[in-house]
Amino acid sequence: QKEVEQNSGPLSVPEGAIASLNCTYSDRGSQSFFWYRQYSGKSPELIMSIYSNGDKEDGRFTAQLNKASQYVSLLIRDSQPSDSATYLCAAETQAGTALIFGKGTTLSVSS
Amino acid sequence: KAGVTQTPRYLIKTRGQQVTLSCSPISGHRSVSWYQQTPGQGLQFLFEYFSETQRNKGNFPGRFSGRQFSNSRSEMNVSTLELGDSALYLCASSPSEAGGTQYFGPGTRLTVL
Repeated sequence: QKEVEQNSGPLSVPEGAIASLNCTYSDRGSQSFFWYRQYSGKSPELIMSIYSNGDKEDGRFTAQLNKASQYVSLLIRDSQPSDSATYLCAAETQAGTALIFGKGTTLSVSS
Repeated sequence: KAGVTQTPRYLIKTRGQQVTLSCSPISGHRSVSWYQQTPGQGLQFLFEYFSETQRNKGNFPGRFSGRQFSNSRSEMNVSTLELGDSALYLCASSPSEAGGTQYFGPGTRLTVL
């Protein structure tokens, strides 16, 4: 059973702090990884994709991938109350046409 | 570009009935995937279609089925509804034949009574 594991949280950080979200995956064949943000009652919204080992930065967001450790993370710098949401980590299956999602980490940013 | 659209947005059915949900992908996207989201199980993959062909299927019973039309629009059908089918059903489209980034629609909230 291919799985993606995330700490459900809640993860609470003060405004302006760095939020660190982590994810592990079981399928060594997965090559593509995604972070989605989901506000309550809304659908998932893509934040970042990452395909190669190392870091990928986009504004306040940095995704990190370590395929040897089967580990993906997302750092959110200068966290804002509007970042309060559930963050979903997803790994693409080896077949390449389905995403396996973790159950999400709930982030709460207090002002 | 318009995003992924799903209809209807909300649906209430009773046990034993069947339901059909519709999804229109982003213009130019030919891959459409369907997911079920529940509080207990999270987001789970149902199936994926590309050029009217089902290429991948998740671990759901045969009561769940889908199809894709030549214009890439997709429908999913659930027959003999059970209480446990109450969920948010999400459609996602992708521009790539090889998989990759998926963009989600707003979802259809199905309640089975």
